[in-house]
Amino acid sequence: GEDVEQSLFLSVREGDSSVINCTYTDSSSTYLYWYKQEPGAGLQLLTYIFSNMDMKQDQRLTVLLNKKDKHLSLRIADTQTGDSAIYFCAEKEDTGRRALTFGSGTRLQVQP
Amino acid sequence: DSGVTQTPKHLITATGQRVTLRCSPRSGDLSVYWYQQSLDQGLQFLIQYYNGEERAKGNILERFSAQQFPDLHSELNLSSLELGDSALYFCASSVAGTGVLLYNEQFFGPGTRLTVL
Repeated sequence: GEDVEQSLFLSVREGDSSVINCTYTDSSSTYLYWYKQEPGAGLQLLTYIFSNMDMKQDQRLTVLLNKKDKHLSLRIADTQTGDSAIYFCAEKEDTGRRALTFGSGTRLQVQP
Repeated sequence: DSGVTQTPKHLITATGQRVTLRCSPRSGDLSVYWYQQSLDQGLQFLIQYYNGEERAKGNILERFSAQQFPDLHSELNLSSLELGDSALYFCASSVAGTGVLLYNEQFFGPGTRLTVL
């Protein structure tokens, strides 16, 4: 079955880089996503990567995908206090079902 | 603002009761997904509707049901509520349900926080 795992907590200082890691089990995943959830808010899609890509960069965000190890990471450069939130990785399988399977979320705390 | 609206924002009710959560998808989106976010289970997919028809089921309890209406809004009905049903319920919408569009971004609503006392 599908399973997505993340570490629960990460604390960094403002201006440093943050790296949030995720492992998944479903080798049929076609797209992998990173969502951000701020307190009291819904989920906001930050970025995604197609399974045939190794890396994707989008401004301060860099996504790395190691398909062999089923490992996904999100790097946030120059982390700001406004980046404090919970970050979820999610996978979508290449079947008729288009729903997402989410990890448990990583709470990122950015200290000034 | 994702364009997905959910009502009510908060709901407090008692065990054994029944509630209905409502979701209006983004204009033009045909698919609606319901997710439950709780402390012990994390964020779990419940059910998906596409253009009025059920498309996929996840970890949805038999006490829960949903439907999508001709105007594409959706309702999630939760009955015989238990304390463990307390959670944040999200609705998401996307353009497609299945088929040719592999990249099919889901836009999430702000959620309905359900508290069962």
